[in-house]
Order: sequence, then structure tokens, then C-alpha cells
Amino acid sequence: AQSVTQLDSQVPVFEEAPVELRCNYSSSVSVYLFWYVQYPNQGLQLLLKYLSGSTLVESINGFEAEFNKSQTSFHLRKPSVHISDTAEYFCAVRTTQGGSEKLVFGKGTKLTVNP
Amino acid sequence: NAGVMQNPRHLVRRRGQEARLRCSPMKGHSHVYWYRQLPEEGLKFMVYLQKENIIDESGMPKERFSAEFPKEGPSILRIQQVVRGDSAAYFCASSPMQADEQYFGPGTRLTVT
Repeated sequence: AQSVTQLDSQVPVFEEAPVELRCNYSSSVSVYLFWYVQYPNQGLQLLLKYLSGSTLVESINGFEAEFNKSQTSFHLRKPSVHISDTAEYFCAVRTTQGGSEKLVFGKGTKLTVNP
Repeated sequence: NAGVMQNPRHLVRRRGQEARLRCSPMKGHSHVYWYRQLPEEGLKFMVYLQKENIIDESGMPKERFSAEFPKEGPSILRIQQVVRGDSAAYFCASSPMQADEQYFGPGTRLTVT
């Protein structure tokens, strides 16, 4: 079964500092990976996704993630964070089996950006 | 185009009561997914439905939980005889086709007292 591990449950950083949120997955088939962001009391918003092609994917608000097949990782990075980036971030892998598909999520990483 | 709608946003039920959670997918989307988020946990898949069909309910508890997505109207997640352990946030997502991006609703936060 596919699984996702987010190694850090909480990451506190100062504003304008760089940040990396780690994500490792286990999968024996083609991999489709996602990062979602959840602001307090809201639903999930797609931040970026890897389906195929370039292993480096970027979002419109400065985040990027790199698919590393050999290390089975899809870490999320931002070179300089803002207060408004404070949220919970979920890594997910899409699984397709027997005509069904679903997202398998990690437990999430709470990013807190302090002034 | 309105996003995925869920109601109610907050629901309080006493133990033993029934909870009905509604999800209206985005216009043109015929695939609906339900996920549950327990405190301090990530989202866990519950069920995948297309119009009038349950495709995969492997994540649904065997008892008390059911889901439907009728030809007309929203998808419903029904929890009978709720217990305190059912307290969680329930998220619905929709997609236009299988293997497309899933768009999430704001969630329903169920509290069982």
C-alpha cells in the first residue's frame, strides 16, 4: 500500500527565512504527488503537483517542490517565507487501483512564521 | 463557478443521534470523494462515488456509516448513532473525471457530545 511520511509535525521559522518541509512516499507504481495547504478552519487548497515531466514544480506564490525518485521524496521549499504562509501543509500521493482512485495524505506539517 | 460546497460547516450531535453531511460538487463534476480528518492526523480516504454509484468504500467503517450520490442533489455522508470518536472534520472533494485534480470543500466539523 502506498504511504506518505511527513517527518516534521511542526516547523517554526522567522519571516524571510528559507524553509523546507519534508515528504517521503512509498509507492511501487507510477507516482503522482501533491502538496496541499490548509489555512485555519478552511479546506485544502492545491499548492502544486507532480504528474510527469520536469521534476521541479513551482507554485504561483514562491513555493517549489522537487520529485526525487531515488530518494522517494517530494520536499517543499520556499527561499523566503511570509507571515501569511503560516498554515498546515499536507503532502499526498494519488493511488489508482481496481478502477478506483484516492489521495493518501501525510499527517501534515504546521508551518508557523514568526515576525 | 462556485467551488465545492459543504453544509453544515459545523454540526453538533449528542451520542446516539444521526449526522447528515452534504456535499455539492463543482458544476460539471461527477466524481465525489469523502475524507475524514481526525485531530492531529492527516486526511483519511473514506469513499469514492460517481453519480448513483459507489466506486470504492474501502475507507468507510463497516457499521453506522453510509454514503450516496444521487442523480439529482448533493452527495450525503450519513453517520448513524454517532459516538464521540466520530468527532472530526469531514471533507468532500470533487473532480470532473477520474484521475483529475480533486477540489476540496471547506469541510464539516462534527462534534459529538
